[in-house]
Amino acid sequence: EVQLVESGGGLVQPGGSLRLSCAASGFIVSDKYMSWVRQAPGKGLEWVSIIYSGGTTYYADSVKGRFTISRDSSKNTLFLQMVSLRAEDTAVYYCARIIRGGNSGYAFDMWGQGTKVTVSS
Amino acid sequence: SYDLTQPPSVSVSPGQTASITCSGQRLGSKYICWYQQKPGQSPVLVIYEDRKRPSGIPERFSGSNSGNTATLTISGTQAMDEADYYCQAWDSDTVVFGGGTKLTVL
Repeated sequence: EVQLVESGGGLVQPGGSLRLSCAASGFIVSDKYMSWVRQAPGKGLEWVSIIYSGGTTYYADSVKGRFTISRDSSKNTLFLQMVSLRAEDTAVYYCARIIRGGNSGYAFDMWGQGTKVTVSS
Repeated sequence: SYDLTQPPSVSVSPGQTASITCSGQRLGSKYICWYQQKPGQSPVLVIYEDRKRPSGIPERFSGSNSGNTATLTISGTQAMDEADYYCQAWDSDTVVFGGGTKLTVL
């Protein structure tokens, strides 16, 4: 079965760190573009980071310098290392697979169930 | 930074046509995707490359994109279509989502 399963969320104090994992099955993570998207309580979707199949990474300005996206091919898993966490980082974090359409347009075709991160003292 | 603007809410009667817009500068020069998200669930891709439907998405979902506006159209709207809808585009190597539109079927 093709799926994404996130883990690693939880309650952390401001300034703390957390590492999220996204285990993939049914496809090879390193062959695809992969991304993290978050959703604060009652709010819309916010893109966080992307890693291309070649390894290049990009980040939203709101997390640049604090979050690091990576992957482990041996575990077929995507990660998001988060440091210096702030209250505004509180959200459900989704990992998502990105596919390329026939016209070279890219789309988030598969999403995990999400893992909740709460930053609070 | 690039912004995508959606109306916060749209209402439609069952069986009628719902149209949800997404506006952005020169949006027609970019590919647009649309995602449906029901309460407590993960987003689901319903339209990609402006007008294409992924496998399993009903034909009543369609899309268009021209000028500064993209539109998601749901024909013969059903109660099960009540959800939040998000447009999404690429701005160089970053991703932008619209603020989302709550579709109410009443």
